[in-house]
Amino acid sequence: GAGVSQSPRYKVAKRGQDVALRCDPISGHVSLFWYQQALGQGPEFLTYFQNEAQLDKSGLPSDRFFAERPEGSVSTLKIQRTQQEDSAVYLCASSSQGIIEKLFFGSGTQLSVL
Amino acid sequence: GQQLNQSPQSMFIQEGEDVSMNCTSSSIFNTWLWYKQDPGEGPVLLIALYKAGELTSNGRLTAQFGITRKDSFLNISASIPSDVGIYFCAGNTGKLIFGQGTTLQVKP
Repeated sequence: GAGVSQSPRYKVAKRGQDVALRCDPISGHVSLFWYQQALGQGPEFLTYFQNEAQLDKSGLPSDRFFAERPEGSVSTLKIQRTQQEDSAVYLCASSSQGIIEKLFFGSGTQLSVL
Repeated sequence: GQQLNQSPQSMFIQEGEDVSMNCTSSSIFNTWLWYKQDPGEGPVLLIALYKAGELTSNGRLTAQFGITRKDSFLNISASIPSDVGIYFCAGNTGKLIFGQGTTLQVKP
């Protein structure tokens, strides 16, 4: 596609539910990042993939957060047993060859946990 | 951990005015980047800075990489209504560390 595509655009979950957020990066982009953006804050790094390898998951806030990219293209961020503090916009970004200056962001998934 | 502090937190200006915002860090970065985020969208890169002291322009935007490599500023000249949005600085450590953002509102 022309840009990074994320779905769903909005997700409302009851506390305790599991959610799965999808990211379709730009075709051919080997690097994929997930960021979490709380209301009124800047994006915060969650995890990074180079192809299918998850090279850095130091930003994942707890073991309830899990990300995968099994075939090196589409990625899924899964949050188990959601809590209210998980409410945020989850941004996905991709780049060619891990070039940070060529990082393209999707529009994000806005997650609200009630 | 590493933190970037942006100021001011928000600005409300008249169309045609010039705007200046800055970003400071407790850590040294080798690359500074400035992004703009519109409501409901992801951040979009405006300017990337690679060398201490570097001054770079992109249309009405000018940004500088501080000599100490711990700060950067962004200027917008002759603001227009479509400049409205949130501006983020970011430092590159292999992953981006973002500031908290400066919200800009422009009154026509």
